[in-house]
Amino acid sequence: DGGITQSPKYLFRKEGQNVTLSCEQNLNHDAMYWYRQDPGQGLRLIYYSQIVNDFQKGDIAEGYSVSREKKESFPLTVTSAQKNPTAFYLCASKVAGGATETQYFGPGTRLLVL
Amino acid sequence: SQQGEEDPQALSIQEGENATMNCSYKTSINNLQWYRQNSGRGLVHLILIRSNEREKHSGRLRVTLDTSKKSSSLLITASRAADTASYFCATGMYQGAQKLVFGQGTRLTINP
Repeated sequence: DGGITQSPKYLFRKEGQNVTLSCEQNLNHDAMYWYRQDPGQGLRLIYYSQIVNDFQKGDIAEGYSVSREKKESFPLTVTSAQKNPTAFYLCASKVAGGATETQYFGPGTRLLVL
Repeated sequence: SQQGEEDPQALSIQEGENATMNCSYKTSINNLQWYRQNSGRGLVHLILIRSNEREKHSGRLRVTLDTSKKSSSLLITASRAADTASYFCATGMYQGAQKLVFGQGTRLTINP
């Protein structure tokens, strides 16, 4: 099956700990995105990448880091600098270029602080 | 900052009725999209309308776009209990067209 997978489904973070959320896609998409969603709110863009080994900050990048070493993978690290990490994190991907702007989303990871 | 503002924030109707959700935005756009999210799940793309289009249909969905008023509406006809979800509009802009900016969503409940 083609699609986007995110793991784990639930993640618990202790004070001062860095945690990494996984996002993998087999859609052969060039562009990938990370969003944060707080309860009852819309999505806010954390980071995005349009090509391997390149990524740009979104609207709320502070306290987060990413890498894009492979086309299929775009992991997100929530660092200890992110003081309010509890949220639902969504990864998405799309084909490159302007032919279509549709983004395809993974099932999400819910991050909770212990 | 949020580009889209959606109205209403919550909507509850009876099964079989039509549901209308509205989205307003602030700057010029390349396209506007509607997504659906079931509780605790990822988003699913419903429909895209480009800035040079005024109306688009897909099954029971009808989307309109008024660029002069910077607004869009999503109409779901003959609603079903399975339509219960949150619906988000997202705008793609001319600059950095790789990015979408999402509204805060409308939570739709269809009562059987």
